[in-house]
Amino acid sequence: AQKVTQAQTEISVVEKEDVTLDCVYETRDTTYYLFWYKQPPSGELVFLIRRNSFDEQNEISGRYSWNFQKSTSSFNFTITASQVVDSAVYFCARAGISGGSNYKLTFGKGTLLTVNP
Amino acid sequence: GAVVSQHPSRVICKSGTSVKIECRSLDFQATTMFWYRQFPKQSLMLMATSNEGSKATYEQGVEKDKFLINHASLTLSTLTVTSAHPEDSSFYICSARVKDYSTFGPGTRLTVT
Repeated sequence: AQKVTQAQTEISVVEKEDVTLDCVYETRDTTYYLFWYKQPPSGELVFLIRRNSFDEQNEISGRYSWNFQKSTSSFNFTITASQVVDSAVYFCARAGISGGSNYKLTFGKGTLLTVNP
Repeated sequence: GAVVSQHPSRVICKSGTSVKIECRSLDFQATTMFWYRQFPKQSLMLMATSNEGSKATYEQGVEKDKFLINHASLTLSTLTVTSAHPEDSSFYICSARVKDYSTFGPGTRLTVT
């Protein structure tokens, strides 16, 4: 199986701290997508980012930034100046594009982020 | 655009009964939909791929006779949990393929008593 590993099960920070969530993936696909989703207690998945395997540029969106390193198969997610509302479970996922992969997502086990006031 | 809805959002049923969950693409046509299951404090696991007009493809370990999937139209896929048992209690989430990505529904929380 092509796994997605999120080694951090739980992280607890104090508001305004920066926090990085790690994600390492395995893939046999030549082209693939990587994703980050946020899942608040309500359960609904909130899409954060999708990155194509061809595009290794880092991305910043407000307080969120992503570091894609193909050489180490990592796609880490950093929240700067964390806020209480950032508390949630964050999932990293990958989807193959080629052949029969058909955009099925494989998720990591998730990282529970708690931001304390 | 590309909104997916699920109905019901929550359902409680008695052991031994069957329950149907609907997944609809509201503003687009979806030839392919996916069903995921998430047990408490665990990750999402793909159960099956639902293809309009053909049989669903189930992931290894998922009982196709227990989890019946019907994708009869381009906007609706249904998952029926037959003879539900307490161990089937879970959060069921569908997603629909939109061009080159998938968009997720809000999920259905099933509790079997």
